[in-house]
Amino acid sequence: SAVISQKPSRDICQRGTSLTIQCQVDSQVTMMFWYRQQPGQSLTLIATANQGSEATYESGFVIDKFPISRPNLTFSTLTVSNMSPEDSSIYLCSGLSMNTEAFFGQGTRLTVV
Amino acid sequence: DAKTTQPPSMDCAEGRAANLPCNHSTISGNEYVYWYRQIHSQGPQYIIHGLKNNETNEMASLIITEDRKSSTLILPHATLRDTAVYYCIVRNAGGTSYGKLTFGQGTILTVHP
Repeated sequence: SAVISQKPSRDICQRGTSLTIQCQVDSQVTMMFWYRQQPGQSLTLIATANQGSEATYESGFVIDKFPISRPNLTFSTLTVSNMSPEDSSIYLCSGLSMNTEAFFGQGTRLTVV
Repeated sequence: DAKTTQPPSMDCAEGRAANLPCNHSTISGNEYVYWYRQIHSQGPQYIIHGLKNNETNEMASLIITEDRKSSTLILPHATLRDTAVYYCIVRNAGGTSYGKLTFGQGTILTVHP
């Protein structure tokens, strides 16, 4: 089955800075998604990463705060911009293809201080 | 996507069957029932899904009632490694919701020796 690698696995960042999270899949996928999991909470979908075009954001999430790129069928990045302590969460990348159900990376644990 | 209701927590003895219930009384005809689990500090893992027939794979069995308003995930011989949060998700197989997963709070299953 396909494997997603996320980098970094964890980071501690200063407020006001930005962090870019990378998601690499070992095979081509039709769709890629980004989720957020706040401490003690369930997962919430941030956006669908569209290849070669702007991401589609869910209600409550905006491009200025969470810019997303997807240059090809195996790679995507999520940037968390102008971070505040409220952005401390686990950020997860998910992939989906015609031959698989949605699968997830191990996540990036972000702490903003 | 239809809303799901799950008990917040359950216990199970190692080696016994774990039966995790899920209510989805507003499910529509073209919505599937999916189960994922999230072991601590990992990304969610796909377990099984079904539309109306009972399903079985190497991980679990899924029993869907005839009216499709509820389902049960069965882990036939639970082990300590099955301790996780189990998510029951109802989603449309296509359309604008394709690939998107709406996570509820899930059931924390604790398997004890």
